[in-house]
Formats: sequence, C-alpha cells, structure tokens
Amino acid sequence: DTGVSQNPRHKITKRGQNVTFRCDPISEHNRLYWYRQTLGQGPEFLTYFQNEAQLEKSRLLSDRFSAERPKGSFSTLEIQRTEQGDSAMYLCASSLVSKEAFFGQGTRLTVV
Amino acid sequence: ELKVEQNPLFLSMQEGKNYTIYCNYSTTSDRLYWYRQDPGKSLESLFVLLSNGAVKQEGRLMASLDTKARLSTLHITAAVHDLSATYFCAVVRGADGLTFGKGTHLIIQP
Repeated sequence: DTGVSQNPRHKITKRGQNVTFRCDPISEHNRLYWYRQTLGQGPEFLTYFQNEAQLEKSRLLSDRFSAERPKGSFSTLEIQRTEQGDSAMYLCASSLVSKEAFFGQGTRLTVV
Repeated sequence: ELKVEQNPLFLSMQEGKNYTIYCNYSTTSDRLYWYRQDPGKSLESLFVLLSNGAVKQEGRLMASLDTKARLSTLHITAAVHDLSATYFCAVVRGADGLTFGKGTHLIIQP
C-alpha cells in the first residue's frame, strides 16, 4: 500500500495523559499536513511541513499540541495533558508542492 | 480569514433525481477541491478545480467553478444509493492548508 498511513487507528486515553500519533506520507511527497475533524464538521487545518521544516504552526490549537517531521519523512503529532475536548479524528495528508493532497485513514482519539 | 460555506448541510433525495450542492468561499483562492467521506472513513478526492469556468465530470458527478462569484457547484445526475456520503468542498490560498466547508450529508433513498 503506497498511500498515507496513520498509526494508531484508534486511541483511548485518560484525561491528562500525553498521546502521540504517527503519519507516514506517500514517499515522494514533500508536504505533510495535519488536520483535526470533530463530529459533523469539516477537517480543520492544524499545521504543515515542507520536507523537515514546519512552515505553519500558528493554527495549532494550543501549546499542548506539537508536531515534528525530523527527517522530512514521517511525522508525529503529540498532544500533552489531553482534555476531553481533544476527542476527535486526527487526519494526516501529504502532497507535492501546489498539488492535490491525499489523506490517510486518520487516528480517532477518545479522551475519557 | 478564508471562509467556506456549503449548502445544503443535509440532503435526502430519491434515486434517479438530480440535485446540486453549492460551495461559496469568501476570498480569492488558488484551487478548489471536492472530497467525499464515508462514515468513519477518510477523505477521497473527487475533483480539483483550478480556473474560472472549469468543469469536471466523473460518472454521475459534475463539478464547476466560477471564481468571479466565488462559487463552486457539485451536481448529481440520476442519483444512486452508492453516492450516499458526506461531500466537502475545500479551498486553498497560497501555501496554507485546505479550508473546508462543514460538509453536505447526502442520503439517497431507493
């Protein structure tokens, strides 16, 4: 499978715990995006990378959210001190510059 | 701030009927996308529209773009049950990520 891969697919965590999600983009894509989707809404842009550089992070929802793409390949999204309001689907997408983005299957986070 | 509005947000229709979903956006944009999402699944790209007057068709779906009116339409012809899904339009400006509408939840009944 050469599409965008996200792990885990589902995560249940207790409030206050830290969680980390991984995204493996399509191999030749140099752009990688993170989105959050809550029930009944469209995806909300969080941040993106071009290669290893994080070019936009002002849309991250709070300072509890951070993302990395250390070698310009896979990326991780970390949420520290999770809250119930963080429960959502977290989607990763990748693309070439100015080209169509392809989405992964998402990681569904439930904070209890 | 770029805003994207879709209407209707919910649509129930019968097989064989035609209908149109509308997508308005607030500022100039470089590209407009239509995506399909099935329940619990990720987003599947349907169309990319780049220029004023662009029209693309795939099967029973046809998308068009009017950049002057900042309006895109997704037209469904002779709907079939398999087209039941949520449809999103999304707009991109510059190097930012996509800004999505709230989606149109489409149910097609036999």
